[in-house]
Amino acid sequence: GENVEQHPSTLSVQEGDSAVIKCTYSDSASNYFPWYKQELGKRPQLIIDIRSNVGEKKDQRIAVTLNKTAKHFSLHITETQPEDSAVYFCAAVRTGNQFYFGTGTSLTVIP
Amino acid sequence: DAGVTQSPTHLIKTRGQHVTLRCSPISGHKSVSWYQQVLGQGPQFIFQYYEKEERGRGNFPDRFSARQFPNYSSELNVNALLLGDSALYLCASSLAPMETQYFGPGTRLLVL
Repeated sequence: GENVEQHPSTLSVQEGDSAVIKCTYSDSASNYFPWYKQELGKRPQLIIDIRSNVGEKKDQRIAVTLNKTAKHFSLHITETQPEDSAVYFCAAVRTGNQFYFGTGTSLTVIP
Repeated sequence: DAGVTQSPTHLIKTRGQHVTLRCSPISGHKSVSWYQQVLGQGPQFIFQYYEKEERGRGNFPDRFSARQFPNYSSELNVNALLLGDSALYLCASSLAPMETQYFGPGTRLLVL
C-alpha cells in the first residue's frame, strides 16, 4: 500500500513569515494530492489540492508543488497569520479513491 | 446547502459490544468514505463506497463493515469492540471517486 511521510511534525513561525510542510509518498500510482487543515476539535477542511499532471498550484497565500519523479509534494503558506495555526495533513490518493494521510504538522503562528 | 452530517456525535461503549455509526453525504454526492482518526494521528482509510458498491478497503479487521444505501447515506459497523477502537470516526463524501472529499464532524467513540 501507499506510505505517506510528512515533515516536520511541529512548526512554529513568526506572523508574516512563510511556512513549508513537506510530504513524500511511495506509490507511483498516486495521482491526486490534497492538503487539509484541521483546527482543534473540528473536521478536516480541504485547503488546496493538486493532480499529477500539474507541477504547481497557487491560491492566494497558499501554494502546493509536486515533484512526481522524486515522489514528494510541499505546502507553502506565505505571510502567515495567527488564524493559520492548526494541524495540516497531506494525503496521497491512488486509483480506487484510497486516501492515505500523512501524520500531520502542527503549525503555530506566533503573533 | 447542508454539509456532511454524522450521528451520533459521541458514543461510549464497553469492550465486546457492537456499534453503528451513520453518515449522510452532501446532496448529490454519490461517494462516501470512512476514516478512523486516533488522537495525534492522521485519518486512516477504512472503506470507500460509490454507487452502493464497495470501491476500496483499508487495512482494518473484518470486525469493521459498512454499507451504502440507495439514498447514498452510509453506515459503519464495528463488532466486538476493543479498547483500541476508541477514536474519532470521520465520514467524507465526494461527487465521485478521485474527486474532492468533504468531511463530516465525526463521531467520537470511547470504548471502556
